[in-house]
Amino acid sequence: GAGVSQSPSNKVTEKGKDVELRCDPISGHTALYWYRQSLGQGLEFLIYFQGNSAPDKSGLPSDRFSAERTGGSVSTLTIQRTQQEDSAVYLCASSLALRGQPQHFGDGTRLSIL
Amino acid sequence: AQKVTQAQTEISVVEKEDVTLDCVYETRDTTYYLFWYKQPPSGELVFLIRRNSFDEQNEISGRYSWNFQKSTSSFNFTITASQVVDSAVYFCALSENNYGQNFVFGPGTRLSVLP
Repeated sequence: GAGVSQSPSNKVTEKGKDVELRCDPISGHTALYWYRQSLGQGLEFLIYFQGNSAPDKSGLPSDRFSAERTGGSVSTLTIQRTQQEDSAVYLCASSLALRGQPQHFGDGTRLSIL
Repeated sequence: AQKVTQAQTEISVVEKEDVTLDCVYETRDTTYYLFWYKQPPSGELVFLIRRNSFDEQNEISGRYSWNFQKSTSSFNFTITASQVVDSAVYFCALSENNYGQNFVFGPGTRLSVLP
C-alpha cells in the first residue's frame, strides 16, 4: 500500500517482557516520527528520525525505550521490561523532509501490558 | 517555545448544527505552518489542511472552513451543517521553520455530533 504501515496492529504481552513495534513509512519519506497515545489522551512525541542525522530522542520516557531506523526506511521501536503504564497506542508518522510538510500516520499498534 | 492550545476539551452538537473548534498557538518564528488532523473512533489520524504563516486567506472545503488570524494567533476550524460522521477528535498542530522537528500537537477537541 501507499500509506504508513505499522505492525502488529495489536500486541498483548506480560509485564516484564520486551516488545518490538515496526513502522514502514511512505516510500520517499525521509522523516519518521514515533508518538504514544494513551487512552483518551493527546499525542506524546517519542522520537524523530531525519535521513542519516542523529535522531531526536528527547521524547523517550525512559531508557527502556529505544528505536532504530535501518537503511533510512523501516523503523523499530523497542520497549524493554514492559510496565503496565506502557499500555497505549503507538503511532508512527512519516513526511517529506521539506519545510511544513504534513505528517502522514499509520493506524498504530495497540499495546496492552497485562 | 512553541505551543498549541485547544481550550475546548469536548463539544457536543446536534446534527446539522454548525460548530467551531478553536486553536491558539504560540511561536517566535515568523515562518511557520499550521495543521488540522482528524482522528475518528477507528483511530487513524487523517491530515485535513495545512496553512503557512504568510497566507492568511481563509479556506473552504465543502462543509469545512478554516479561519487563520495572525493578529490573534488563532487557526479555527468550522464545520457547517455537522453530520454524525464528523464525530472525532480533532488536533491542531504547529510546525516551525525547519525540516520537520518541533512539530507540536494540541491536546485535541473531542467532537460528538448527535443524531
